[in-house]
Amino acid sequence: QSALTQPPSVSGSPGQSVTISCTGTSSDVGVYNRVSWYQQPPGTAPKLMIYEVSNRPSGVPDRFSGSKSGNTASLTISGLHTEDEADYYCSSYTSSSTLVFGTGTKVTVL
Amino acid sequence: QVQLQESGPGLVKPSQTLSLTCTVSGGSISSGSYYWSWIRQPAGKGLEWIGRIYSSGSTNYNPSLKSRVTISVHTSKKQFSLKLTSVTAADTAVYYCARGTTGIENFDYWGQGTLVTVSS
Repeated sequence: QSALTQPPSVSGSPGQSVTISCTGTSSDVGVYNRVSWYQQPPGTAPKLMIYEVSNRPSGVPDRFSGSKSGNTASLTISGLHTEDEADYYCSSYTSSSTLVFGTGTKVTVL
Repeated sequence: QVQLQESGPGLVKPSQTLSLTCTVSGGSISSGSYYWSWIRQPAGKGLEWIGRIYSSGSTNYNPSLKSRVTISVHTSKKQFSLKLTSVTAADTAVYYCARGTTGIENFDYWGQGTLVTVSS
């Protein structure tokens, strides 16, 4: 299975909004709403930020939001904070009953 | 609060078998609402899903690793394990264990990760 495609990096100034795309296929992102997003600061384990495309776990700030259109899911951070600087990964369930992660995106707060 | 902790050798020789165990505390390993996964991350690279096991023993594996991977669960010990055979330097990575939610397919709890280096 191939990794989902994400841009290597995105950046923005504090207060700005950034959007990270996650492109899959009609065998994963395009057919299931089981898309999640994870935040991983350097040297730490990933943290769940979004599940089922657009749901936020308790404790995740509402500036994080998710959406999906066709084979592409997106994570938007509205109003960047310095502490949002991290790597972000999407994941999706697949028609083979497996899970696949995205290639990862580094978010830089300028 | 659910906690997961990986344990096992930090150094494995090429062609040998990598063996790791994940111990679950603060929650049940037997609930059908969850499954238990292994995920790895080579230094400076992205996450790779290795596979998962339900408390029933049912498993799914990453097709690229399937021929070398076995995941097993030991419910009485609240542990699940990973075995990866015939390792090479390409298997050097931080290995994470994580809890997944059935039907939602997210990982809500993760271990801290353990570095396994394959080297002679």
